[in-house]
Amino acid sequence: EVQLVESGGGLVQPGGSLRLSCAASGFTFSSHWMHWVRQAPGKGLVWVSSINNDGSYTVYADSVKGRFTISRDNAKNMLSLQMNSLRAEDTAVYYCVRDVHGFGAFDIWGQGTMVTVSS
Amino acid sequence: EIVLTQSPGTLSLSPGERATLSCRASQSVSSNYLAWYQQKPAQAPTLLIYGASSRATGIPDRFTGSGSGTDFTLTISRLEPEDFAVYYCQRAGSSYTFGQGTKLEIK
Repeated sequence: EVQLVESGGGLVQPGGSLRLSCAASGFTFSSHWMHWVRQAPGKGLVWVSSINNDGSYTVYADSVKGRFTISRDNAKNMLSLQMNSLRAEDTAVYYCVRDVHGFGAFDIWGQGTMVTVSS
Repeated sequence: EIVLTQSPGTLSLSPGERATLSCRASQSVSSNYLAWYQQKPAQAPTLLIYGASSRATGIPDRFTGSGSGTDFTLTISRLEPEDFAVYYCQRAGSSYTFGQGTKLEIK
């Protein structure tokens, strides 16, 4: 079964750090671009960051650039998101998602992990 | 940055009716990179359509995507009770953008 399972969410104070992980299974992880998408409570979907197949290219939304770092370990089938200097507006469910080859669409989504930034 | 505007914000229809959801881009979008998603409460989104008109695996043929350039449409031919949800369009490019969503509710 193709599956993405996120972990690492939780409550953190403003200015703090958190590292999200996503374990992939059931497919050839190293063949796919991967992404993080977030959704604040009661709000819409917002793209956060993307990484190419081998990890040599990364791109970020302006709102997280310089604070978040996406990475992957293809040997371990793991995607990560290091989040530093967290702000209240980063509070959201964070989804790990798989890219459809050649179309930039997101065909497999994890269940999401909640990040709450609050004092 | 390309902005996607979805309309209407809320669509109230009855089961069996036809739904037409719009996604308008502020600049031309390659059809290869336009997708639609369905999200039900407390669930992750599901990919419905990619490449503007290709149905994702397992998606019923009552869902149809169309359009090009700046205007794209998701049509649900005959609404089933499970189709009432929020729908998002999304484009890919050097970055990725979602529309704000259309809530399809039971009339």
